[in-house]
Amino acid sequence: DAGVIQSPRHEVTEMGQEVTLRCKPISGHNSLFWYRQTMMRGLELLIYFNNNVPIDDSGMPEDRFSAKMPNASFSTLKIQPSEPRDSAVYFCASSLGQPDSPLHFGNGTRLTVT
Amino acid sequence: GDSVTQMEGPVTLSEEAFLTINCTYTATGYPSLFWYVQYPGEGLQLLLKATKADDKGSNKGFEATYRKETTSFHLEKGSVQVSDSAVYFCALSDRVGGFKTIFGAGTRLFVKA
Repeated sequence: DAGVIQSPRHEVTEMGQEVTLRCKPISGHNSLFWYRQTMMRGLELLIYFNNNVPIDDSGMPEDRFSAKMPNASFSTLKIQPSEPRDSAVYFCASSLGQPDSPLHFGNGTRLTVT
Repeated sequence: GDSVTQMEGPVTLSEEAFLTINCTYTATGYPSLFWYVQYPGEGLQLLLKATKADDKGSNKGFEATYRKETTSFHLEKGSVQVSDSAVYFCALSDRVGGFKTIFGAGTRLFVKA
């Protein structure tokens, strides 16, 4: 299996622009998670899906952030409009959806908003 | 709510030294516990896990024992190598918490040759 695939690896954009991050989970995994990692706040859970349905989006910082999972093999995280404080590494992870199931992470998207 | 607290880093050790990274947790239910490792430029990857009290998870010479009475899951390795230099995250997943995984702040380890 290729693992969790994220794209792009790096994104540099100007403040106010729309940014879309993409994720392909491991086939057969039914839970998908979006995390954000910064030096100041560490690893933050933004939202997670179970069977393509958003279960908890309480970590989404504000209405500028939205996430979708139209099918079991694809998810997007969109920021519109982007701001410099959104600069971070965004990780997608998937799992089998049980408490003892580990998360499998992608290599992340490093977002820089200037 | 659920939370994980781990020792602050960075931790700097010489090669072949003994490693301990402390981790304690609070949880509403009966969580599964994990250690993940992150190498530069990569996502986190599972290092080991334990799912019930007194279970010992182990992998690549690392060990951690699920201590319910002290709500702890300390990571240990008897002899570290330069290649162990990375950031280590303690985490829990709790059915009561809706299966979401909560991470500690991470502990950066530097191993000198």
